Amino acid sequence: NAGVTQTPKFQVLKTGQSMTLQCAQDMNHEYMSWYRQDPGMGLRLIHYSVGAGITDQGEVPNGYNVSRSTTEDFPLRLLSAAPSQTSVYFCASSGSFAGGQNSPLHFGNGTRLTVT
Amino acid sequence: GEDVEQSLFLSVREGDSSVINCTYTDSSSTYLYWYKQEPGAGLQLLTYIFSNMDMKQDQRLTVLLNKKDKHLSLRIADTQTGDSAIYFCAEGYRGSTLGRLYFGRGTQLTVWP
Repeated sequence: NAGVTQTPKFQVLKTGQSMTLQCAQDMNHEYMSWYRQDPGMGLRLIHYSVGAGITDQGEVPNGYNVSRSTTEDFPLRLLSAAPSQTSVYFCASSGSFAGGQNSPLHFGNGTRLTVT
Repeated sequence: GEDVEQSLFLSVREGDSSVINCTYTDSSSTYLYWYKQEPGAGLQLLTYIFSNMDMKQDQRLTVLLNKKDKHLSLRIADTQTGDSAIYFCAEGYRGSTLGRLYFGRGTQLTVWP
């Protein structure tokens, strides 16, 4: 099982450039989300989706867009990169909330983004 | 339920027990999780506990939950150098946005040989 796959693993952008971070999962999970991880800050939720066609904002959505056209894919778009967006980005997914047990989050290995 | 606190660093000798502590503020938390992050990798689920439990044991891992004090701990017995990593505490809620978790800042565990 591939689980959650993120590409690219590393990326360097200049200020003002745009790009898309890719995330795909093969577990038929309904829930997908994007986090950023900064030193001393832990994980902060950027955007999430509870199913195809449904997205919502997390704690730090500014400067990022998402879409969910399929169950498998949840790309994160940086519209105009800024140095403050230098971070490690993680995509995560989880399955249905069934039987009273919250399905744990499965994480990708991250994308390390540097904006100069 | 969005304030999850952890100490940032813990150092132990190989073979000793490690105890990583976490506090949370929302008593409606339903599920509490421990994740492990090794260098250059994503987060890996270690274990979780339901809020109606006091303790859960899984091989070298023991999770203790004190609901009155909103305190969660992870004990690693016979800590090995391979246990060196960042450990995140996270809480989730029944009926909340599906799958949404709130994470602490992580505790960097360093194991000395």
